[in-house]
Amino acid sequence: AQSVTQPDIHITVSEGASLELRCNYSYGATPYLFWYVQSPGQGLQLLLKYFSGDTLVQGIKGFEAEFKRSQSSFNLRKPSVHWSDAAEYFCALNQAGTALIFGKGTTLSVSS
Amino acid sequence: GAVVSQHPSWVICKSGTSVKIECRSLDFQATTMFWYRQFPKQSLMLMATSNEGSKATYEQGVEKDKFLINHASLTLSTLTVTSAHPEDSSFYICSAGERGGTDTQYFGPGTRLTVL
Repeated sequence: AQSVTQPDIHITVSEGASLELRCNYSYGATPYLFWYVQSPGQGLQLLLKYFSGDTLVQGIKGFEAEFKRSQSSFNLRKPSVHWSDAAEYFCALNQAGTALIFGKGTTLSVSS
Repeated sequence: GAVVSQHPSWVICKSGTSVKIECRSLDFQATTMFWYRQFPKQSLMLMATSNEGSKATYEQGVEKDKFLINHASLTLSTLTVTSAHPEDSSFYICSAGERGGTDTQYFGPGTRLTVL
């Protein structure tokens, strides 16, 4: 079955510290992979996406993610977290033209 | 580019009434739009896939007679919640993929529906 797992429900990181949010997927082939961020009461903003090619993808706001086929993972990273990064983060996948399958999300809190 | 709008952003209605939510792709054409529902502190659940000029495809467990979807043009899809009840209160989000584009979906800002 196709699925996305985000093992961490809630993560707290100190401002300025590095961040890694985990995402594992189950899919029959190599899917398209995405990370979205959602602030409270808002829609989703695309951070980055992986379709093919270079397995390390750069996104907006200083985020990057690495696709590892052997581990079925697509973890999101940021070297230095800012207080404004506090939000809900969703990993998602699909195939061309199909609806996204979302993970349950990880809530990021940033402490000063 | 690639902006999706939703209207209204929030709505409060009485039980038994119907509510229409619009989803528009502002600067691109979208052959397919998707409607999701999100409960507090939860992930997005796909409700239906809306294809321009044809009937929507609903996910299992979603009542097609209750959640009417119309996709009359390449830039507009509407979701009508008919005879709304308090359990329909939720955050409804649409997304649209650019026609002939890179298969990235762009999301609207969402509509908060509260049924009293």
